[in-house]
Amino acid sequence: TQLLEQSPQFLSIQEGENLTVYCNSSSVFSSLQWYRQEPGEGPVLLVTVVTGGEVKKLKRLTFQFGDARKDSSLHITAAQPGDTGLYLCAGAYNAGNMLTFGGGTRLMVKP
Amino acid sequence: ETGVTQTPRHLVMGMTNKKSLKCEQHLGHNAMYWYKQSAKKPLELMFVYSLEERVENNSVPSRFSPECPNSSHLFLHLHTLQPEDSALYLCASSQDFFSTQYFGPGTRLTVL
Repeated sequence: TQLLEQSPQFLSIQEGENLTVYCNSSSVFSSLQWYRQEPGEGPVLLVTVVTGGEVKKLKRLTFQFGDARKDSSLHITAAQPGDTGLYLCAGAYNAGNMLTFGGGTRLMVKP
Repeated sequence: ETGVTQTPRHLVMGMTNKKSLKCEQHLGHNAMYWYKQSAKKPLELMFVYSLEERVENNSVPSRFSPECPNSSHLFLHLHTLQPEDSALYLCASSQDFFSTQYFGPGTRLTVL
């Protein structure tokens, strides 16, 4: 069974703080995606990374794909209450949409 | 309506009941997916349909039976479920098997 480990599982921080979420696997991904899920909703895609060492920025969010394509991180700068939610990483080990999801990081940003 | 819709949003059923979950996508996509999201396990892919043909059955028990009558609709028929089947069931669709998936809001299922 291919596993995707996410850490931390829970994170509670004050508005304005920075944070990093990690996603690790022992296997190589062909691509990796990050999603955010809010209560009562399905996950929404934030970014897809496909190249080892790739860095993508989405406003205050920075996504990095490890050189070996086995790990990824999501860094949020100056977190805001609107960033609160469940962050999920999902990896594809082959081309196509057979995604394996991590367990998620539940983030709460307090005003 | 736009996007991916799921009905019902909440469902409570007994172990001997038969019920169905419905998913409809208004995006013109050709691939549809069922996922299970439970409190204790990561989001799990259950079934994949591409052009109305099932391409993946991810070792799902036979008490879950999918149906894809056309590219816009996907059903999950449920019978003789167990309490451990209680979870959020999410539907997703994508343009093809390699494109971004768009998720519906899910059906929160409770099996008593």
